Formats: sequence, structure tokens, C-alpha cells
Amino acid sequence: AQKITQTQPGMFVQEKEAVTLDCTYDTSDPSYGLFWYKQPSSGEMIFLIYQGSYDQQNATEGRYSLNFQKARKSANLVISASQLGDSAMYFCAMRVRGSGYALNFGKGTSLLVTP
Amino acid sequence: GAVVSQHPSRVICKSGTSVKIECRSLDFQATTMFWYRQFPKKSLMLMATSNEGSKATYEQGVEKDKFLINHASLTLSTLTVTSAHPEDSSFYICSARGTEASYEQYFGPGTRLTVT
Repeated sequence: AQKITQTQPGMFVQEKEAVTLDCTYDTSDPSYGLFWYKQPSSGEMIFLIYQGSYDQQNATEGRYSLNFQKARKSANLVISASQLGDSAMYFCAMRVRGSGYALNFGKGTSLLVTP
Repeated sequence: GAVVSQHPSRVICKSGTSVKIECRSLDFQATTMFWYRQFPKKSLMLMATSNEGSKATYEQGVEKDKFLINHASLTLSTLTVTSAHPEDSSFYICSARGTEASYEQYFGPGTRLTVT
């Protein structure tokens, strides 16, 4: 069975600092995809970054980077130069092959960026 | 990126009534659409997967007779909550996936359902 674990219910970071949000996963499928989404209080799910299991390099998208450690089964999100607008819930998710590639989400981490 | 819309964004209905939520892919054809449910301060839970022209696949514990899903075209999927109860109050989010080769999923803005 596929499982996503986010162990940090809440995180604080000061503006302009970097922050790492943890995510570990478990799957026996050699082919999988890992996603990070941001959900502000409005509820919309905003796609941040994607990492495929066969990708050789860690994914980066602007201020977001994914620290992919395959052997450890971890896919931590690093946000550099935090901004006040980064305050939101962050979900790690894994693509599940058996359900037509539906996403299996972790419990989420609430990030608060302080001035 | 591609756009997925949901309608309505908010709905309040009385117990025992039915409510329909629409999910539309506006600028691409969605071969597969997914319906998720999210309780306050909780994660998204997959309810069902729908493919155009075929019956939806429901996750374990989701009542297919209560949550009717129709995916009649490549741009529209609907979720009907039948005989709604207060415990059905939740945030319902759809997502759409395009081609088989694409990993990307595009989420709708969500529908907040309140059953009184």
C-alpha cells in the first residue's frame, strides 16, 4: 500500500529565511511521482513542484526545490527566501498507479511566515 | 496551466435534499477526473475516480448510491450528493488529468457544502 507521511503539523519561519517541510513515502512500485501542493485559506490547491521516481536531478521551481532522497524515501520541500504570502497548508502527495493516477495526500503541514 | 472550474463554490442545502456539483476542464480534455473530500484542518481523501463514458470507481467506504458521479463528456464531471445529511458537510474538490502521458493534475477551486 502507498503511504505519505508528513510529521510536522505546524512550522514557523521568519520572512526571508529558508524552511524545509518534511515528507516521507512508502511504496513498492518502482514508478511513482511525488507532488507538493500549497493550500491557502481560500481552499484552492496550488501545484508547486513534481518529482518523478526516475528523475536523476532534484526538481526546482523558482523558490521551491525538492530534496529527493530515494533510498530514504523522502521528498522534502525547501522554500527559500520565505515570504508572508507563503503562509498556508502544504501537502505532499504521491501518484497512485492503481487508481488511474489519483493522488494520495499526506496530512499536511501548516506553515506560518512571520515578519 | 490548465484551468478547472467548479460550480457552485458554496452551497447550503437542507437535510434530505440532493445537491449537484459540477467540475469542468475549460481548456483541455480530461480523460480522468477525481473527486476528493476534505474535512476542516484535514487532508484530502479520494472519493472516486471517473473516466469519461464509464462508471466511476469508488474508494472503499464511499457510498456509490449516495455520491453519484457522472462523467458524460471529456470536459464535465458531476458529483451529486443525494439525501444529504449534516455529516456530508465538507469541502469537495475535483481534479482533472489530461493525456495518459501527462503527470499533471489540475484542481478545481473546490465547493464548500453545508447541510443544515
